Amino acid sequence: GQQVMQIPQYQHVQEGEDFTTYCNSSTTLSNIQWYKQRPGGHPVFLIQLVKSGEVKKQKRLTFQFGEAKKNSSLHITATQTTDVGTYFCAAPPGGAGSYQLTFGKGTKLSVIP
Amino acid sequence: SAVISQKPSRDICQRGTSLTIQCQVDSQVTMMFWYRQQPGQSLTLIATANQGSEATYESGFVIDKFPISRPNLTFSTLTVSNMSPEDSSIYLCSAGEGANQPQHFGDGTRLSIL
Repeated sequence: GQQVMQIPQYQHVQEGEDFTTYCNSSTTLSNIQWYKQRPGGHPVFLIQLVKSGEVKKQKRLTFQFGEAKKNSSLHITATQTTDVGTYFCAAPPGGAGSYQLTFGKGTKLSVIP
Repeated sequence: SAVISQKPSRDICQRGTSLTIQCQVDSQVTMMFWYRQQPGQSLTLIATANQGSEATYESGFVIDKFPISRPNLTFSTLTVSNMSPEDSSIYLCSAGEGANQPQHFGDGTRLSIL
């Protein structure tokens, strides 16, 4: 089945620095979703990207979907300690019409105050 | 978005016993999902629970080990049967809004087997 490769696995940043995590697929994705899991918490849906080249922003978070719909990124500007957690990308394994999601391995973000 | 209530939140069990995890959604949903997450790892889908039919299991997971019920559109259970220490993990349920739609997760069940 389809897999999404996510890098880096870990990222340690000083508070105020920027952070980016990347997801790549060998096949075209119908959409890609991003989730955040705080330490000890459950994954929480952040956003969904559907269109080729789509860019969406949520305050300091910028999400991009590649033109070929095979890659995506999440960029956080000026990280804060509240950004700590693991960020997962996820995509339907069977393409359009799938109910299931395949999750990337996640990027664990640590923010040093 | 749907609110998911999952219980128990954690349990410590003896090997060879079984535990049933419950998941309640505050609205009717078509699909519910059960995941396993090892500490520090990603989510692995165990099965998809569709009301009125048998659950669909992913490769490596079987019904005898992880029987699932889905009696209505707001509730599902996952049983971890004949537990061994290898079953120690976090088990998460989620509800999907529809095809290609986001999923919303319960708080998870932290299971330890002695």
